[in-house]
Amino acid sequence: RKEVEQDPGPFNVPEGATVAFNCTYSNSASQSFFWYRQDCRKEPKLLMSVYSSGNEDGRFTAQLNRASQYISLLIRDSKLSDSATYLCVVNPLSGGSYIPTFGRGTSLIVHP
Amino acid sequence: DTAVSQTPKYLVTQMGNDKSIKCEQNLGHDTMYWYKQDSKKFLKIMFSYNNKELIINETVPNRFSPKSPDKAHLNLHINSLELGDSAVYFCASSQGTGASEAFFGQGTRLTVV
Repeated sequence: RKEVEQDPGPFNVPEGATVAFNCTYSNSASQSFFWYRQDCRKEPKLLMSVYSSGNEDGRFTAQLNRASQYISLLIRDSKLSDSATYLCVVNPLSGGSYIPTFGRGTSLIVHP
Repeated sequence: DTAVSQTPKYLVTQMGNDKSIKCEQNLGHDTMYWYKQDSKKFLKIMFSYNNKELIINETVPNRFSPKSPDKAHLNLHINSLELGDSAVYFCASSQGTGASEAFFGQGTRLTVV
């Protein structure tokens, strides 16, 4: 079983749509969780951290379910500029340090 | 100022050559990483250093040798390059032991011909 699993997509949605991504992780000792965004030929950049209580940043909402070991990202009112790959990141502890472990990413294409 | 900088951005070289990629962070972070992103876009951890000490060495050929002269720098040297080494290599850093977000360099696109 892969450590972090995501549906690769692509998710092809019209502007204004709401889209949700899920991610599952295998290491129950993981301590911190993030969503990153990666544009074509660019480096990954933090989109938002994910907290157990759920958190929202504008049109983006992230949720963590520790019992089921999954993380979700909801994007409301999609914009063309949201087109990118969304990477789920889990930080399991290994050798005294946390190792950001990435899913394969979910591709989002927002069209006019 | 760039927080995590890598050089070079592009590297084209022949099989069998030895090359190095340099990485520097000015964020005062204690932990630095090297990742490889292959043609399928999967970001895979290669090495992790905390305060200049090697923490993680994933299943990586020993042709790859990281070096951390101080906690702000983590360089990657690759011997006897092979076609399969072609990928984008990302350096990253994070605060403390790495539980917080990681900041990435712009990547080094390595092409072995």
